[in-house]
Amino acid sequence: IAGITQAPTSQILAAGRRMTLRCTQDMRHNAMYWYRQDLGLGLRLIHYSNTAGTTGKGEVPDGYSVSRANTDDFPLTLASAVPSQTSVYFCASSGLAGELFFGEGSRLTVL
Amino acid sequence: LAKTTQPISMDSYEGQEVNITCSHNNIATNDYITWYQQFPSQGPRFIIQGYKTKVTNEVASLFIPADRKSSTLSLPRVSLSDTAVYYCLVGAIPRGGFKTIFGAGTRLFVKA
Repeated sequence: IAGITQAPTSQILAAGRRMTLRCTQDMRHNAMYWYRQDLGLGLRLIHYSNTAGTTGKGEVPDGYSVSRANTDDFPLTLASAVPSQTSVYFCASSGLAGELFFGEGSRLTVL
Repeated sequence: LAKTTQPISMDSYEGQEVNITCSHNNIATNDYITWYQQFPSQGPRFIIQGYKTKVTNEVASLFIPADRKSSTLSLPRVSLSDTAVYYCLVGAIPRGGFKTIFGAGTRLFVKA
């Protein structure tokens, strides 16, 4: 049972580089989300998608972009990474019951 | 979206019952109340969800008073492994998804 798969698990990145965090779900959920979690803090919503072909901005969207070409995939792109984007990134999905299913996270360090 | 307020942290001892209360004064008619648990280095995990009165599953109970302006997550006989952060979320059940916002959560520390 896979659920939500995120890649990479961790990455060290030089500032200014472009980075895409991948997220794939096999539950055929309509909604998908990207959150970031900084040390000792709660989760903050970056972007979300209600269904394939649509996306929306969350609490902290600046510096990030997403796409939702199909139901299963929801990649998060940092066009030009900055040190303040050092964080743990969680992808999640939800079905009609509203329960969120999370991936294991991607730990990103921007130097 | 209804704003939620929870205690920042709580301490307990093994075997005790723990009650974590969440305030959501602006809850809307269509909103449900959902609780998640997060262990270090893991994504949050669904615990329980309810709309009114009481809901119980194998992990926890959720008590919701008639005015629905607050809710209480009850963890019976906690163990060391229940040490985690607990998040209260309030929102409508999505047909396709919605802007799900997490608060700061309550950090529960269970001592031996």
